[in-house]
Amino acid sequence: EVQLVQSGAEVKKPGESLRISCQTSGYSFTNYWINWVRQMPGKGLEWMGRIDPSESYTNYSPSFHGHVSISTDKSLSTAYLQWSRLQASDTAIYYCARQDWELVDDAFDVWGQGTMITVSS
Amino acid sequence: IVLTQSPGTLSLSPGERATLSCRAGQMISRSFLAWYQQKPGQPPRLLIYGTFSRATGIPDRFSGGGSSTDFTLTISRLEPEDSALYYCQYFDSSSYTFGQGTKLEIK
Repeated sequence: EVQLVQSGAEVKKPGESLRISCQTSGYSFTNYWINWVRQMPGKGLEWMGRIDPSESYTNYSPSFHGHVSISTDKSLSTAYLQWSRLQASDTAIYYCARQDWELVDDAFDVWGQGTMITVSS
Repeated sequence: IVLTQSPGTLSLSPGERATLSCRAGQMISRSFLAWYQQKPGQPPRLLIYGTFSRATGIPDRFSGGGSSTDFTLTISRLEPEDSALYYCQYFDSSSYTFGQGTKLEIK
């Protein structure tokens, strides 16, 4: 069974750094891009960026480029989303999602359960 | 690419048909238009990909259609568990866009 399991909720202060994880299992990690999606409280879905785990090639939405960093550890089949300086406006749920080019025309067929990040002084 | 979904909220009764719209700001490929369902406290779930194709396990009450700039998700014979938010999504080879969502309420 393909699974994406995300790290737990975090409460941080503005200016702090943070890295959240998305551990995958049940498939070949390097064969599928991993995407990150933000959902602010009561709001819709926003695509943040993606990474090709085979070569660590990344694309970012202009809205998030320079504010977050996406990476992977192939040995752990895990993707990461990282902030160097959090802002209160980063308070949201963050989802990782697998992009399946093979069976569903690059849609997101499997999602993590989400990680709630709260940034407050 | 900007995706605009309408209506913002749709309130219907069980057994009725729901038609959700997703309009693109310019012509897009049918190959990369997808629909997702999201219930409270859950991650989104893929319903439709490539405009027309149902994802694994999705009942045939859900169907997608459209072309060019206008796309639809139709849910026939509504059931109480169809109450959710629905999002369209487009992939343009290196980035994704989501519509703002339609809230479907089952009376």
